[in-house]
Amino acid sequence: DTGVSQNPRHKITKRGQNVTFRCDPISEHNRLYWYRQTLGQGPEFLTYFQNEAQLEKSRLLSDRFSAERPKGSFSTLEIQRTEQGDSAMYLCASSKMGETQYFGPGTRLLVL
Amino acid sequence: AQTVTQSQPEMSVQEAETVTLSCTYDTSENNYYLFWYKQPPSRQMILVIRQEAYKQQNATENRFSVNFQKAAKSFSLKISDSQLGDTAMYFCAFMKHFGNNDMRFGAGTRLTVKP
Repeated sequence: DTGVSQNPRHKITKRGQNVTFRCDPISEHNRLYWYRQTLGQGPEFLTYFQNEAQLEKSRLLSDRFSAERPKGSFSTLEIQRTEQGDSAMYLCASSKMGETQYFGPGTRLLVL
Repeated sequence: AQTVTQSQPEMSVQEAETVTLSCTYDTSENNYYLFWYKQPPSRQMILVIRQEAYKQQNATENRFSVNFQKAAKSFSLKISDSQLGDTAMYFCAFMKHFGNNDMRFGAGTRLTVKP
């Protein structure tokens, strides 16, 4: 068990560009969550998947954000037309249903 | 909606001493879980301890223990024999037992262990 991994670890982009992040969960976990964490705050829920189905999206997830988990394994989070306000740490977590969530190291995004 | 409040933005403790971090939460749920996560500087978030609301016994993990007061909606973390490696942000989190299980986090407490 290698834990939850995320790539890239850091991303610097210019405003208006698109970015995509990847999360690889713990292999036997059927649930995958995306959170956003801004400096000095706790993580905020964005969306989650059970297997390949995206079951809930937070109101924080504007229409510029899209997430997929095509085969119920890894997931991608794409942000289109990035804005400076999107600068944050994007965290992925995975779990079995109803159990403890384990976090990846995060992708730190800086939008210039 | 569930909310989690950590009223201590920063705390410090001398090495080998004991420190208690506070957390309160608001919910109408009866079945839920509470967690403390630790996030060291520039490192990933790791689970410290977990408490099921239906259990009256307070959870303990080595030097870490909780004081869970369900009626008061309070969930404090006690760290005994503090070590330099305990320096981190500590987040209290709430998760419903049923449903989507998304977690609600407090704003965190920055703990510094001083030599």
